[in-house]
Amino acid sequence: QITLKESGPTLVKPTQTLTLTCTFSGFSLTSRGMGVGWIRQPPGKALEWLALFYWNDEQRYSPSLRSRLTVTKDTSKNQVVLTMTNMDPVDTATYYCAYSPGYSDSRGYSYYFDYWGQGTLVTVSS
Amino acid sequence: QFVLTQSPSASASLGASVKLTCTLSSGHTSYAIAWHQQQPEKGPRYLMKVNSDGSHTKGDGIPDRFSGSSSGAERYLTISSLQSEDEADYYCQTWGSGMAVFGGGTQLTVL
Repeated sequence: QITLKESGPTLVKPTQTLTLTCTFSGFSLTSRGMGVGWIRQPPGKALEWLALFYWNDEQRYSPSLRSRLTVTKDTSKNQVVLTMTNMDPVDTATYYCAYSPGYSDSRGYSYYFDYWGQGTLVTVSS
Repeated sequence: QFVLTQSPSASASLGASVKLTCTLSSGHTSYAIAWHQQQPEKGPRYLMKVNSDGSHTKGDGIPDRFSGSSSGAERYLTISSLQSEDEADYYCQTWGSGMAVFGGGTQLTVL
């Protein structure tokens, strides 16, 4: 059974750095094709993709947020960590991590998120 | 620009059927998409992946009332025998050019 759970601070101040941890079970992120993504959702708004960490340690980031994001992995703890710098009130959102097995197609691997964490609400306020 | 377009809202009566649409932008019309359901105050749940040929693969425990199909650049989610718990936001999602893209979501109201 695949599960994911996000953890981290619920409140950060403007200009601070946010660090969120996704702890997962039921799969190994070293298996070929797999990926763990980060997605956020401001209150009352749509989902927005942030980043993906690949099985081979590569990462992909949203072009609009690339300069502020870093995703890393701790294999021994089955965790993927998202860091976002220079937080602003507009970054207030529920942050989700999600798993994709990686679907092989003509373009290589494509990522559709099969399992989601419950999400964690992060508020940015002084 | 690589976008997925969804109607902001839809409605249908209890027990009826509804078909939601997700449109892929030009140049990406052969891509598969995934449908995700988000019930009020809950996180998203994966429903299914819909391929360009209309074949679809559902997630664990997704009822037979949910099905997917395709036509050209459009990907569809059909929900039959609507139940009150189907009232939710529905998002489509795809992958291309090394990034994930979500549609703006459709808010489904069950009358």
